[in-house]
Amino acid sequence: DGGITQSPKYLFRKEGQNVTLSCEQNLNHDAMYWYRQDPGQGLRLIYYSQIVNDFQKGDIAEGYSVSREKKESFPLTVTSAQKNPTAFYLCASSVDSGGDNEQFFGPGTRLTVL
Amino acid sequence: QKEVEQDPGPLSVPEGAIVSLNCTYSNSAFQYFMWYRQYSRKGPELLMYTYSSGNKEDGRFTAQVDKSSKYISLFIRDSQPSDSATYLCAMSPHSSASKIIFGSGTRLSIRP
Repeated sequence: DGGITQSPKYLFRKEGQNVTLSCEQNLNHDAMYWYRQDPGQGLRLIYYSQIVNDFQKGDIAEGYSVSREKKESFPLTVTSAQKNPTAFYLCASSVDSGGDNEQFFGPGTRLTVL
Repeated sequence: QKEVEQDPGPLSVPEGAIVSLNCTYSNSAFQYFMWYRQYSRKGPELLMYTYSSGNKEDGRFTAQVDKSSKYISLFIRDSQPSDSATYLCAMSPHSSASKIIFGSGTRLSIRP
């Protein structure tokens, strides 16, 4: 059964802690993305990766880091430098980074900073 | 001013009604236009994708793009309770998924 999985579904973090969100896909897609969704705002791109071992900053990369060591995995680390990390985080993938390719989204991780 | 404006709703209509969802935008360079459906606490799923101006139909859904007015619409015919979700418009200036700008979403509720 192909798709994108994100874990955990809910995550709680104390201020000052780093936390890593998992994203795995078995669709054999080259491109992967991380978005942040806040109430009343559209999805905003944090980081994206067009191919293994390569990634670029999106519009709101400050306070986040990523790695792409394997094609199927694109973990996102929310660092203590991120001033307002409480949000719904969505991972997506597409065949490649062309705009005419459908992005498939995972179920999301809701991060709450206590 | 946001690049993409979308009325957040909520919009509540009776089952069977025709629903009209809209977005306006300011960047005349946008060429690719999309509509996503997002159920509560889930990831968005792509509903419709259009390039440049015109209409596109898929079952009960019709997407319309008017580039001269910088206005896009999604129509849902014979609406069903299962259509209750948040609908996000999205658009891109060129063929790169990294440049997609999303609207904030309209929450739609279909009353049985």
